[in-house]
Amino acid sequence: NAGVMQNPRHLVRRRGQEARLRCSPMKGHSHVYWYRQLPEEGLKFMVYLQKENIIDESGMPKERFSAEFPKEGPSILRIQQVVRGDSAAYFCASYRGPDGYTFGSGTRLTVV
Amino acid sequence: SQELEQSPQSLIVQEGKNLTINCTSSKTLYGLYWYKQKYGEGLIFLMMLQKGGEEKSHEKITAKLDEKKQQSSLHITASQPSHAGIYLCGADGAQTGANNLFFGTGTRLTVIP
Repeated sequence: NAGVMQNPRHLVRRRGQEARLRCSPMKGHSHVYWYRQLPEEGLKFMVYLQKENIIDESGMPKERFSAEFPKEGPSILRIQQVVRGDSAAYFCASYRGPDGYTFGSGTRLTVV
Repeated sequence: SQELEQSPQSLIVQEGKNLTINCTSSKTLYGLYWYKQKYGEGLIFLMMLQKGGEEKSHEKITAKLDEKKQQSSLHITASQPSHAGIYLCGADGAQTGANNLFFGTGTRLTVIP
């Protein structure tokens, strides 16, 4: 079991570019959560998805951010027209009752 | 909404000393998770507690959930430099209608050799 896989580990984007972050949940897990950790701050919930459905996006910024979890393939967190304030570590977690929440190693986004 | 408060915010101990980190909830906890995060890395799962009075141990780390299920503590015995990092408690919000795990502010532990 490879665990929750996130890629890339590090991503550098210029202001105005798009950032695409990928997350493959653990085998057998169909619930995916995205969190953001700003420098020197705690983890903040962004969005919760099940296959092909967004269940809760209450933590997502209203503009420029979107997430999907297609029937096939990884979950994608997409940030359009990135700004310096988007620089953060983005973590994905997958969930299954007996296993609880398992986190990936994160993607560290730097906007220059 | 439910809030989680961790104390202390940071802790510096000499190697070999015992220490305790606390996590207090404003509402009843239905699932309490402890994670450790090393700087620049992901979250490592430590333990999950669900029942009032429950206690779990792994190596030198023991976590407890009080009978009222509003406070959890994480105790490290004979700390080592490898224990250094940020300890996060997370509460399962499913029972309160929140569809996610939400976290306390974290406790930064430094162990001096």
